Order: sequence, then C-alpha cells, then structure tokens
Amino acid sequence: GQNIDQPTEMTATEGAIVQINCTYQTSGFNGLFWYQQHAGEAPTFLSYNVLDGLEEKGRFSSFLSRSKGYSYLLLKELQMKDSASYLCAVRDSNYQLIWGAGTKLIIKP
Amino acid sequence: GAVVSQHPSRVICKSGTSVKIECRSLDFQATTMFWYRQFPKKSLMLMATSNEGSKATYEQGVEKDKFLINHASLTLSTLTVTSAHPEDSSFYICSMYTGNTEAFFGQGTRLTVV
Repeated sequence: GQNIDQPTEMTATEGAIVQINCTYQTSGFNGLFWYQQHAGEAPTFLSYNVLDGLEEKGRFSSFLSRSKGYSYLLLKELQMKDSASYLCAVRDSNYQLIWGAGTKLIIKP
Repeated sequence: GAVVSQHPSRVICKSGTSVKIECRSLDFQATTMFWYRQFPKKSLMLMATSNEGSKATYEQGVEKDKFLINHASLTLSTLTVTSAHPEDSSFYICSMYTGNTEAFFGQGTRLTVV
C-alpha cells in the first residue's frame, strides 16, 4: 500500500533551526508537496519538489531524495508564528495525491 | 492562485439533525477532492478521497454512512454529516486537486453540534 510517514509532533526553540522529515512509499512518484496549516485555517502551500536536491525559499527549504523516498522541510530562524502543522503530500504515478498525517510543530520562546 | 469556496464557514445544529457542507472550485475543474476534519489542537485528519466518476474512498475509522460525500461535478463536492452528535463538532475542510498542480483548500467549516 501507499504510505507517508512524518513525526506526529516536534518542539523547537525560537530562533533555532528545525528539520521535519517525511518518508514515503508510493506507487511511483511525480512530486512532493509541503503545506503549512495553522489550526482553524486553510493550509497554505509551501513548496514543491520533483527533482533531487534542495529548494530554498527564504527561511524555508525543502529537500528531496527520490532514491531514498525521503524529504525534509527545514525551517530556519524560527519564529513563534511558525507554530503550526506541516503536511507532506506525494503525487504518485497516477497523479493521485497521497497525504501524510502532518507534523505539529511547537515553538517555545 | 485557484480559488476554492467552502460554506458555510460556521454552523450550529441540533443533535440528531444533518448538516451539509459545500465545496466549490471557482476557476478550475478538480479531478479529485479530499475532505478532512480537525479536532482542537490536533493535525488535519483525512476523512475521504473522491475521484471523478467513482465513489468516495473513506479512511479507516470514518463511517461512510454518517459522512456522505457527493462528488456532484468537477467543480462541486458536498459533505453531509448525518444525525450529527456533539462528538462530530469539529473543523471540516475540503481540498480540490487537478492532478497538475498543488491541491487547493477551502477555508473550512466550524461545526458545532448542540
């Protein structure tokens, strides 16, 4: 079956760096998405990776290794507003979108 | 970006009644639609996936007879919570996906069952 794994919850300190991992086992691969969601709000799109390597967007970066079925989202210079859930989703060979359960990130002062 | 309209944004209903939540894409056609719910202080939980022309696929533990999903067209999906109970009170959110881009989310519906 298809499966995406993310840690359920992580805690980090304001100003620090945190890495949220996502591993996947899917029927083929056609891209990986990261979303951020604050409770009670709609998720917002953060990044998209389809080739191996690192994509940087300001304080956020996303990395992909297709051979390892692995991605991570790296958040630098953490701010309190980064406290949110982070969702990983993979598009498989049929262009179906498979969702991870999300990682709740807690930022402490 | 693409727009997904979800309504109502908030609804309060009496226990035992049914509530319908509508999700509509305004400027694109969606081949796949997802429905989620989120309990307080918890992550989004996928309830079901609906592809064009086929019945919805429900996640384990989600009662298909209680949460009726109608993928009416490529631009409209509805979720009906039947015989709602206080434990169904939650934040429900839809997502629509074309297959070519990222998924787009509605703004969510806060359901309170009293």
